[in-house]
Amino acid sequence: NAGVTQTPKFQVLKTGQSMTLQCAQDMNHEYMSWYRQDPGMGLRLIHYSVGAGITDQGEVPNGYNVSRSTTEDFPLRLLSAAPSQTSVYFCASSSTDDKWTEAFFGQGTRLTVV
Amino acid sequence: GDSVTQMEGPVTLSEEAFLTINCTYTATGYPSLFWYVQYPGEGLQLLLKATKADDKGSNKGFEATYRKETTSFHLEKGSVQVSDSAVYFCALKWYGGSQGNLIFGKGTKLSVKP
Repeated sequence: NAGVTQTPKFQVLKTGQSMTLQCAQDMNHEYMSWYRQDPGMGLRLIHYSVGAGITDQGEVPNGYNVSRSTTEDFPLRLLSAAPSQTSVYFCASSSTDDKWTEAFFGQGTRLTVV
Repeated sequence: GDSVTQMEGPVTLSEEAFLTINCTYTATGYPSLFWYVQYPGEGLQLLLKATKADDKGSNKGFEATYRKETTSFHLEKGSVQVSDSAVYFCALKWYGGSQGNLIFGKGTKLSVKP
């Protein structure tokens, strides 16, 4: 029972490099989102998607792109990595966006930009 | 906008001590309230939730009651164990679009000593 799977678990990038953080879920959830976790800041929403082909920005979208071509996958792209993007990234999914539905989280990707 | 405030950590307790982690929220409507737990090196997992006023969520000996009059959702456990050492996040969720995402507090790190 995989749930939400994120890859890679750890990554070190040089400033200016690009990369894609992968997120896949096998629960047929329509709603997926990306958060970043920084010390003393909690989790902040980067981008979210309410279904295949539909994405929107969250609280801190600058420097990140997303797309949703299938229900299962929701990759997060860093276009030109900056040290300020050093963080732990979590992908989450839920069956709907109504207020009663819990979100399921991946194990996270720890990204360091040097 | 909607927000969640929870007590700053870290919190250090001895085994079998009583735990309270305070959480208050600001919201224009009547959101659902959640407590998520993050064990070391893992993603977030749902601990408990409450979807309307006066609801009590409970799981693994933890409890929290949705108090509309004080806009609070404090987490309590009568006797903590070393295995409860983790970071605890209070969160709220409303309906649809960006509001269908979780809004998190900053997290409270709990360490339980034997």
